[in-house]
Amino acid sequence: NAGVTQTPKFQVLKTGQSMTLQCAQDMNHNSMYWYRQDPGMGLRLIYYSASEGTTDKGEVPNGYNVSRLNKREFSLRLESAAPSQTSVYFCASSEILASGSSYNEQFFGPGTRLTVL
Amino acid sequence: GQQLNQSPQSMFIQEGEDVSMNCTSSSIFNTWLWYKQDPGEGPVLLIALYKAGELTSNGRLTAQFGITRKDSFLNISASIPSDVGIYFCAGQLHKLIFGTGTRLQVFP
Repeated sequence: NAGVTQTPKFQVLKTGQSMTLQCAQDMNHNSMYWYRQDPGMGLRLIYYSASEGTTDKGEVPNGYNVSRLNKREFSLRLESAAPSQTSVYFCASSEILASGSSYNEQFFGPGTRLTVL
Repeated sequence: GQQLNQSPQSMFIQEGEDVSMNCTSSSIFNTWLWYKQDPGEGPVLLIALYKAGELTSNGRLTAQFGITRKDSFLNISASIPSDVGIYFCAGQLHKLIFGTGTRLQVFP
């Protein structure tokens, strides 16, 4: 039972290159998330998927696209990488999407450290 | 975007000392959470708080949900070297908002 896995762990891109960050979870969770973490800023939500077949924008979606490939997998794509996208990217999953007064624990992957030159 | 104010930003303490950190917001939340992030890893949930005034412990960790619902506190007693890491608060009303983190360093 690996939980949430992410690939790659590290990546260096040149400005304008594209790449896809992969995420998979084996907990049969319905909801998945992509966050970015920058120094002094905590985690900010990029996109999320409440359930298979749906995706929604989070706080900082510009420059990214996502695909919920199936219940297990949720990928994040950078079509044309920019230096401002240098960050650590975390994928997370939860049983269902929390809303209102309910909370469902989010489980995080180990992160992908991306540098854009 | 909305973020929580977390303080202090960093702490350097001696092993055995107690630690306190807090999070404040201009908005109210229904749930407060505290996460710990070890170097090179993703955040892991430590404590979840669901009611204003609630005080919850997890081993040497104690967290409180502020009465106003706009703040929360985390205390670590008798710190040990493995407490090193970044501690994040997070508040939820309709979505989860993370604090800016407190980096804790423990010296033997």
